[in-house]
Amino acid sequence: AQKVTQAQTEISVVEKEDVTLDCVYETRDTTYYLFWYKQPPSGELVFLIRRNSFDEQNEISGRYSWNFQKSTSSFNFTITASQVVDSAVYFCALRMNTPLVFGKGTRLSVIA
Amino acid sequence: DVKVTQSSRYLVKRTGEKVFLECVQDMDHENMFWYRQDPGLGLRLIYFSYDVKMKEKGDIPEGYSVSREKKERFSLILESASTNQTSMYLCASSPPPVGTRAEAFFGQGTRLTVV
Repeated sequence: AQKVTQAQTEISVVEKEDVTLDCVYETRDTTYYLFWYKQPPSGELVFLIRRNSFDEQNEISGRYSWNFQKSTSSFNFTITASQVVDSAVYFCALRMNTPLVFGKGTRLSVIA
Repeated sequence: DVKVTQSSRYLVKRTGEKVFLECVQDMDHENMFWYRQDPGLGLRLIYFSYDVKMKEKGDIPEGYSVSREKKERFSLILESASTNQTSMYLCASSPPPVGTRAEAFFGQGTRLTVV
């Protein structure tokens, strides 16, 4: 069975702090995909990044970085120097040859 | 840019009504999905479709049906709306998960209230 766990339900930080959102996944497949989505107050899920199981390279995009570790089945997301516009619900998701399975999300509040 | 469009942003319906939620995508994606989102429960899969005329039940199909007559359109039908179907409904489309393509793109969501 496949499962995604986001243990942090809500996080609150002060602007300019760094914050890491945790994601742990379970799957028996050797080929799979991991994703992060952002859901701002407007409601639409915005795709941020995809990682394939055969590519463990970490990635940095501006203030965002992702740390994929197969050994611990984790795919964590770090926002550096957080901004108020980063306030949203963030979802981690997993996909094999199936629909996406989502974690329950982490609500991030960045306070000015 | 991929565009997934849901027919309504907000909808209010009466208990017992038949409700149609429409979703259209413009990227020629084979796969389409309907999820519902509720506080504390995350996104739960209702139905999905791998191609035209095909449909598969997700985790919570009871009380719903779907239709996919054309590749770009995937409709969710509430046969007889009930108050426990008050929720945010999200439609998504994606290519099949092959190689480097697997991400789903979402519509803006339909917030349905059943009174």
